[in-house]
Amino acid sequence: GAVVSQHPSRVICKSGTSVKIECRSLDFQATTMFWYRQFPKQSLMLMATSNEGSKATYEQGVEKDKFLINHASLTLSTLTVTSAHPEDSSFYICSAYRTGSNPNYGYTFGSGTRLTVV
Amino acid sequence: SQQGEEDPQALSIQEGENATMNCSYKTSINNLQWYRQNSGRGLVHLILIRSNEREKHSGRLRVTLDTSKKSSSLLITASRAADTASYFCATGKNQAGTALIFGKGTTLSVSS
Repeated sequence: GAVVSQHPSRVICKSGTSVKIECRSLDFQATTMFWYRQFPKQSLMLMATSNEGSKATYEQGVEKDKFLINHASLTLSTLTVTSAHPEDSSFYICSAYRTGSNPNYGYTFGSGTRLTVV
Repeated sequence: SQQGEEDPQALSIQEGENATMNCSYKTSINNLQWYRQNSGRGLVHLILIRSNEREKHSGRLRVTLDTSKKSSSLLITASRAADTASYFCATGKNQAGTALIFGKGTTLSVSS
């Protein structure tokens, strides 16, 4: 159990276009999802916390108008990179949090999306 | 924001040797977790240690936690080439469900 599906796994887009990345919890409800960005040979940097039915909370330095997050249901959060530029090229990873008393519950990560902006 | 610092940043060993990675963090935590990431892939959860635990084992993995020093170590015994990956510690804040904050990671290379 506790599977998170992230799509697409790879995407190449032209500068100025927008790209949407989906993160789905397949077998559990996730009231909270998180979006991370990872540059080559670096660690995961938290971008924002996405709460179902409310506005996302962005980390300092992350432009909310550029990285639009929508968490319209308990199983789906989307990240849209708007007006993408080459410097937005990165590996984006989502994580869904599952509450409960079972010690196996907790954070489940998607497999990531490699975004390349040309 | 980055919570932890891992050292070493890179570690190269031979198969069969043990690999030790260290992680330090800055704020109070509820738990500390270790993750593994193969190149360009997602994260695999390895082990979680709670703030009231000092040591935990899982197969060839041994994790220690010293909350007084705000540090943790991950030991992989009898390493294999398949252990080649990046390893990250991640800390959770005192409230469950808040974001994990990752350390900078250690890149482990195990040669056969």
